[in-house]
Order: sequence, then structure tokens, then C-alpha cells
Amino acid sequence: AQKVTQAQTEISVVEKEDVTLDCVYETRDTTYYLFWYKQPPSGELVFLIRRNSFDEQNEISGRYSWNFQKSTSSFNFTITASQVVDSAVYFCALSEAPHRDNYGQNFVFGPGTRLSVLP
Amino acid sequence: DAGVTQSPTHLIKTRGQQVTLRCSPKSGHDTVSWYQQALGQGPQFIFQYYEEEERQRGNFPDRFSGHQFPNYSSELNVNALLLGDSALYLCASSLGTDLDLAKNIQYFGAGTRLSVL
Repeated sequence: AQKVTQAQTEISVVEKEDVTLDCVYETRDTTYYLFWYKQPPSGELVFLIRRNSFDEQNEISGRYSWNFQKSTSSFNFTITASQVVDSAVYFCALSEAPHRDNYGQNFVFGPGTRLSVLP
Repeated sequence: DAGVTQSPTHLIKTRGQQVTLRCSPKSGHDTVSWYQQALGQGPQFIFQYYEEEERQRGNFPDRFSGHQFPNYSSELNVNALLLGDSALYLCASSLGTDLDLAKNIQYFGAGTRLSVL
């Protein structure tokens, strides 16, 4: 069974601080995808980043970066120089890869981390 | 480029009633997934539709049913509403016509907030 854990329920930082959101996942699949989504008060989940299970290279995209470590089943997400507009609930999600016997995909989401960036 | 649109935005029903929620996928997408998000929790997968058929289902009772139309839009129906069905219902669309894993990003609508009294 797949499971995603986000141990941090709420985080508060002051603007311009760096903040890291933790994510730990469980899956028996060898091929899978990991995602981070942001949910502002409007409710819409906004796609941020995706990483597949074969690529552990960590990257930076603007103020966002992520640290994927298969050995510890973790996929942490960092926002550098946080801004007030970054305040939202952040969800880590896991998706198994589709295959010829099952095109269906089931995204499993963690419980979310509420980030508050104070001015 | 229109994103995922859902209607209505808010809905109030009473126990035992039936409700229908609607979703139009992002332009070019052919797969629609539905999620239930209770207050303070992450979204829970309900089911996914492709080519007008349900191709995967989460752990939800048969009271939850759906439909996909030839234009790829979708409806979520919930019968015999319970107080516990109160939640934000999210629709997500993706392109699911092949095994190209690069296309498995799901794009979400703003959701329909259902309150059952």
C-alpha cells in the first residue's frame, strides 16, 4: 500500500527565511512519481514540482528546490527567501506509474503542511 | 488556455439528498479524476474516468458514482448524503492516452465545497 507522511502540521517563518517541508513516502512499486502541490486559500491545488523514482538528481527551480533520497524514502521541498505569497498548505503526493495492465493512476496525498510566512 | 473548471463552487444539501457535481477538464486532456478533501486533510482519491469508463476507484462506497461524456467532461454523483460527505470535492485532469509518464501531471480545479446539514 502506498502512504505519504508529512510530519509537520504547521510551520511559521518570517519573510526572507528559508523553509524546508518534509515528506516521507511508502510504496512497493519500483517506478513511481513524487509531486509537490500548493493549495492557497482559494482551494485550487497548484502543481509545483515532480520527480520520478529513477532520477535522484536534486534541482533548483527559482526559489524552489527539492531533495529526493530513495534510501530514506524522503522527498523534501525547500523554499528559499520565503515571501508572504508563499503562505498556503503544501501537499506531497505519490503516484504509481501507469502500465499496460492498468492505465489508471491513483494519487496518494499526504495530510499537508500549513506554511505561514509572516511579514 | 482554459484550466479545469468545476461547478457549482458551493452547495448546501440535507441528509439523504442526492447531489451532482460537474467538471470540465483542461483543454487537450482526456482523463478526469475526482478527489474528496475533508477539512484539514489531504485529498482522497475517489475514482478516475477515461474514455467514458471508470478505470480505477479508491475506497469509497457505491453511493459515489460518476460519468464521463464524449467531450471528456465529467460528473460526480453522491446519493443518500451523509453528514460526513461534507467536504471540498476536487476534480483533476490529465492526459492518459498512453504510457508516456511525462504526461501524468494532474491539474486541479478550484473545487466544489459541499455542506451536508
